[in-house]
Amino acid sequence: GQNIDQPTEMTATEGAIVQINCTYQTSGFNGLFWYQQHAGEAPTFLSYNVLDGLEEKGRFSSFLSRSKGYSYLLLKELQMKDSASYLCAVNWPLRGGSYIPTFGRGTSLIVHP
Amino acid sequence: NAGVMQNPRHLVRRRGQEARLRCSPMKGHSHVYWYRQLPEEGLKFMVYLQKENIIDESGMPKERFSAEFPKEGPSILRIQQVVRGDSAAYFCASSPRQAGGQETQYFGPGTRLLVL
Repeated sequence: GQNIDQPTEMTATEGAIVQINCTYQTSGFNGLFWYQQHAGEAPTFLSYNVLDGLEEKGRFSSFLSRSKGYSYLLLKELQMKDSASYLCAVNWPLRGGSYIPTFGRGTSLIVHP
Repeated sequence: NAGVMQNPRHLVRRRGQEARLRCSPMKGHSHVYWYRQLPEEGLKFMVYLQKENIIDESGMPKERFSAEFPKEGPSILRIQQVVRGDSAAYFCASSPRQAGGQETQYFGPGTRLLVL
């Protein structure tokens, strides 16, 4: 892969705020996605960032710094149903030349009461 | 509008058999992507297809694996002579235009292949 790094696992308390970080190799970068994946289910789209700054969508926000090769996903007012894996994916040109999202290993978030 | 459909959802094969995984993209989507997900690992890109064309197969093993997306019918990922290491979840995604830029991929529920 192209060196996408995320923490393997995080735990947080219901009602709290959690920040999931993602760092990546910057060369060839063309946008970053965050997906949510519940166990045994399909990944579902959360956010897309291509410019620096914060994008807010309800309880979820995503931040990007292109010069630092860094993004985070911020989850507020955590609910039990937020327990899932959160996947960071970066658009890079593949060996075949296509820009296809390349996924990190994901961060498993456990929300407890 | 039905989402991305994959079948079967679960597939059990013995070593040496063939596995055929099917994916029907969302209505109006002509771009299909296959990914493999091993336990505790991320989604690994395998192949990107449009109708009747393989656009990028740089992530697909050169042997035993093939993919097609015919003019009519679903996309097929075919694994010949399966080995235990092929056991994984295989996800299909589709998009109306090439993913990249803001184009979002929509994922199917996956096929979980178990090779005995």
